[in-house]
Amino acid sequence: AQTVTQSQPEMSVQEAETVTLSCTYDTSESDYYLFWYKQPPSRQMILVIRQEAYKQQNATENRFSVNFQKAAKSFSLKISDSQLGDAAMYFCAYSHGSSNTGKLIFGQGTTLQVKP
Amino acid sequence: NAGVTQTPKFQVLKTGQSMTLQCAQDMNHEYMSWYRQDPGMGLRLIHYSVGAGITDQGEVPNGYNVSRSTTEDFPLRLLSAAPSQTSVYFCASSRGVEQFFGPGTRLTVL
Repeated sequence: AQTVTQSQPEMSVQEAETVTLSCTYDTSESDYYLFWYKQPPSRQMILVIRQEAYKQQNATENRFSVNFQKAAKSFSLKISDSQLGDAAMYFCAYSHGSSNTGKLIFGQGTTLQVKP
Repeated sequence: NAGVTQTPKFQVLKTGQSMTLQCAQDMNHEYMSWYRQDPGMGLRLIHYSVGAGITDQGEVPNGYNVSRSTTEDFPLRLLSAAPSQTSVYFCASSRGVEQFFGPGTRLTVL
């Protein structure tokens, strides 16, 4: 069975600084997707970034980028130029690839505090 | 498009009561799922559906029933609520890789 682990329950960063959130996963599959979701206090789940396992290039979305290390099964999220609005809980998630049925496996979450 | 809608937003039940959490999507998505979110455990899959008339169990299905009679609706039923079912419940839908989440229902069972 696939598992996703986030070992940092809480992180903090100074506004305008850079922070990296860690995620490791375990799978025997070669075709899969990885995601980072943001959950602000409003509770809404917001997709931040996704990575296809077959792509070697790391995904980027504006200030958000990932470091995808397939062999090490590591998928970290880097937030550059942190803003107060980035304060939220962040979840790492995994889904199957070609047999995808919309199921996600989530990590435990990391609460990010942004200090002004 | 309203996207994924869930009702109610908040609910308090007494142990043993039954209720249905409603979920609807207007994006004609094939896949729909229910998750529960508990502190320190992330979101865990309860049940999912790959199309009308087809449902299957996820990681934590005990105590919950689902059915999918239409593409749009995917209700989650608690037949006899227990305090262990106190949680935040999310419904999600997708056609492919990206899932779209509803706003969630906070359920408290006393």
